[in-house]
Amino acid sequence: GAVVSQHPSWVICKSGTSVKIECRSLDFQATTMFWYRQFPKQSLMLMATSNEGSKATYEQGVEKDKFLINHASLTLSTLTVTSAHPEDSSFYICSATLKGRLARGHEQFFGPGTRLTVL
Amino acid sequence: AQRVTQPEKLLSVFKGAPVELKCNYSYSGSPELFWYVQYSRQRLQLLLRHISRESIKGFTADLNKGETSFHLKKPFAQEEDSAMYYCALSNRDDKIIFGKGTRLHILP
Repeated sequence: GAVVSQHPSWVICKSGTSVKIECRSLDFQATTMFWYRQFPKQSLMLMATSNEGSKATYEQGVEKDKFLINHASLTLSTLTVTSAHPEDSSFYICSATLKGRLARGHEQFFGPGTRLTVL
Repeated sequence: AQRVTQPEKLLSVFKGAPVELKCNYSYSGSPELFWYVQYSRQRLQLLLRHISRESIKGFTADLNKGETSFHLKKPFAQEEDSAMYYCALSNRDDKIIFGKGTRLHILP
């Protein structure tokens, strides 16, 4: 199957700083990438949909100025948590697929996740 | 509203016993349904999807449109089946809606 990587796998930062997380599709071109947030022992919450070459679409309740998403190429999407606060501490997971494939029953390919801890 | 419901947070089953993880959905249209699995310290991965009608690792799931269900079943549980299982639905907008997940614990 297709491989999606995330970098870094974990990061600790001070409150008020910004953190960038990268999501890469290693062996396929991902026109669409998704960013999720997962709290301990809870399900994945979709934060935003990132389409290559266009603005990200954010889910209701997710601050677009807080969580900046850039999908500059067909293999890379980045999530920047700006002015991080302790409540932003979470597990962030990205996934990738080809545009239109989900609706036809094709799968998303998930990254391993990035654990963010804000002190 | 589009929703996926997994009523059980935790399911404990003895090794060799049958397993059924429940999933119900709410969707106005023809849904594409999936089961994803997350083993300990591993990433989320696809287990099976309803359009494939396949059996993976002994697991099967049948879409019942009348009951709006997509329960995951396995006749004989194995210890390596212990994991977190997520039922998911994809919609016309290419988004996946996940259920809250069920932790399956296989007892020796």
